[in-house]
Amino acid sequence: ILNVEQSPQSLHVQEGDSTNFTCSFPSSNFYALHWYRWETAKSPEALFVMTLNGDEKKKGRISATLNTKEGYSYLYIKGSQPEDSATYLCAFPDSGYSTLTFGKGTMLLVSP
Amino acid sequence: SQTIHQWPATLVQPVGSPLSLECTVEGTSNPNLYWYRQAAGRGLQLLFYSVGIGQISSEVPQNLSASRPQDRQFILSSKKLLLSDSGFYLCAWSGKIRSSYEQYFGPGTRLTVT
Repeated sequence: ILNVEQSPQSLHVQEGDSTNFTCSFPSSNFYALHWYRWETAKSPEALFVMTLNGDEKKKGRISATLNTKEGYSYLYIKGSQPEDSATYLCAFPDSGYSTLTFGKGTMLLVSP
Repeated sequence: SQTIHQWPATLVQPVGSPLSLECTVEGTSNPNLYWYRQAAGRGLQLLFYSVGIGQISSEVPQNLSASRPQDRQFILSSKKLLLSDSGFYLCAWSGKIRSSYEQYFGPGTRLTVT
């Protein structure tokens, strides 16, 4: 069973604040790390797939970094907006890449 | 483009009743298909996945079953629902080429067992 941990469990920030969360995963046999954004009453939406150590990906105000040697990834949101409120999930594939193990997510609430 | 459909969107069923949730994918062939559940206060749990017609892998023991009668159809069933089956059920698909292993989720079904 793969151990994918996310912290914090929840976060409440004010509009305009920048924030970040952590995903930790097994550092051995790394294949890729996925980040998803899950808004209430919608289905999870893919944000990033990260494959290389030191990788940094960006989509608008959201960016992510990857450290495969120590087994963690950070997701950053710059200048949070209320529409960023969602649960952010990371996921790690099994060795055959047939399945993804998801973390429990970080629930972000951005107040105006 | 690919789309994934799930129905129904919401369902309220009494304990002991049967269940059938359906998921279909359009715009792709031979996808990997997945059923997940999010129970209250818990993360996303993989229930079943399928790499082809008639091929089902179960991740957790439970009173649910899955079937894949057609290439792009995935069905989640139960003969007798338990209260603990309540939750949000998501179907997802992915490609089979490693670079396309991103999973794409359907709109979900909210199941309440009373």
